[in-house]
Amino acid sequence: EAQVTQNPRYLITVTGKKLTVTCSQNMNHEYMSWYRQDPGLGLRQIYYSMNVEVTDKGDVPEGYKVSRKEKRNFPLILESPSPNQTSLYFCASSLIQTTEAFFGQGTRLTVV
Amino acid sequence: GESVGLHLPTLSVQEGDNSIINCAYSNSASDYFIWYKQESGKGPQFIIDIRSNMDKRQGQRVTVLLNKTVKHLSLQIAATQPGDSAVYFCAENMNTGFQKLVFGTGTRLLVSP
Repeated sequence: EAQVTQNPRYLITVTGKKLTVTCSQNMNHEYMSWYRQDPGLGLRQIYYSMNVEVTDKGDVPEGYKVSRKEKRNFPLILESPSPNQTSLYFCASSLIQTTEAFFGQGTRLTVV
Repeated sequence: GESVGLHLPTLSVQEGDNSIINCAYSNSASDYFIWYKQESGKGPQFIIDIRSNMDKRQGQRVTVLLNKTVKHLSLQIAATQPGDSAVYFCAENMNTGFQKLVFGTGTRLLVSP
């Protein structure tokens, strides 16, 4: 089954404790991206990757890092989480940038 | 469920009615548009897309209309069912020298039996 898998689904952490949210897709897609979703603001892109070892900033990259060492995986790293990073995060992948994006189930992150 | 829809415009319809959800996009150079459906606790799911060289595209019970003159996109759902209750997002691919998919804030559709 074609899917994008994120882990964990829910995470509560403390300010400053590094964390990684994993994302994996099984569709051999080139393009992957991370979004955060906040009430009234919709989906905002954090980082994206056009292919292996090619990543770039989206609209709200501050406080986040990503890596793309393999085509299927695109982890999101918060080196020092802060409460303003409390949000719902989605990973998405698509064949290329301008085609249908498939989304993961989301990760609800709370930073206290 | 998730709280992403706290401040969204809401469209309430009765089961069996036709629903029309509207979206104004921002960039006249945008060349690709997508409608997504997001149910509570889930990620957005693709519904239908349309490229800028078309003004109408039909799927199963859904139709997307594109009016480039006024930069307006609409999603029509025929014979709306309770299972259609969700938040609906439009997204535009802003083709301004580089490709960028930008999402609208969404509309909540509530379908009453």
